[in-house]
Amino acid sequence: DAMVIQNPRYQVTQFGKPVTLSCSQTLNHNVMYWYQQKSSQAPKLLFHYYDKDFNNEADTPDNFQSRRPNTSFCFLDIRSPGLGDAAMYLCATSSRDSLLAQHFGDGTRLSIL
Amino acid sequence: AQSVTQLGSHVSVSEGALVLLRCNYSSSVPPYLFWYVQYPNQGLQLLLKYTTGATLVKGINGFEAEFKKSETSFHLTKPSAHMSDAAEYFCAVSDLGGGSNYKLTFGKGTLLTVNP
Repeated sequence: DAMVIQNPRYQVTQFGKPVTLSCSQTLNHNVMYWYQQKSSQAPKLLFHYYDKDFNNEADTPDNFQSRRPNTSFCFLDIRSPGLGDAAMYLCATSSRDSLLAQHFGDGTRLSIL
Repeated sequence: AQSVTQLGSHVSVSEGALVLLRCNYSSSVPPYLFWYVQYPNQGLQLLLKYTTGATLVKGINGFEAEFKKSETSFHLTKPSAHMSDAAEYFCAVSDLGGGSNYKLTFGKGTLLTVNP
């Protein structure tokens, strides 16, 4: 089945130690998104790629970066994680063919020690 | 700018009872509307969507929603709740904006609990 896959499902890192989360998709969608979701809250968009064009949300901290080396893969880099960055990180994809419906991965739960 | 309001952060129903989750939206252009469900420690799963055409939309797991432009609403219903419906539900709106606006605006979510 075509899908969005996030690895790892659970990630533990130390305060200040860089961490990378990965996302891959087999849907061939041209748009990929990264969201941060904290407990009992709605997902908060961090940034998205429209093809290779990177679009950062105005309130996304500089500590968060992203890379999209090709259509299928997208990475979220947290350069110096703080305790407040502990959250679920969700990757999603969409395209005009999907009528803008976003397809989500199962997320990576990040813990900070 | 779009916005979504979900009335009731927590809804509790008995198994077999009607489920009604409320969503009102604000959009400056004809909206695309979505309902997503999220089970614990999982991503969001699309339940149903409204783009154009028929205003009553049927989704997965027996859910449906009706787009009412005059009321700017897109409430989610299911005639008979099942224990497996217990989850968080998010309403979202997207518009094509001026160009390629591929972003969703989510409501704050409604936690549905189903009592035996």
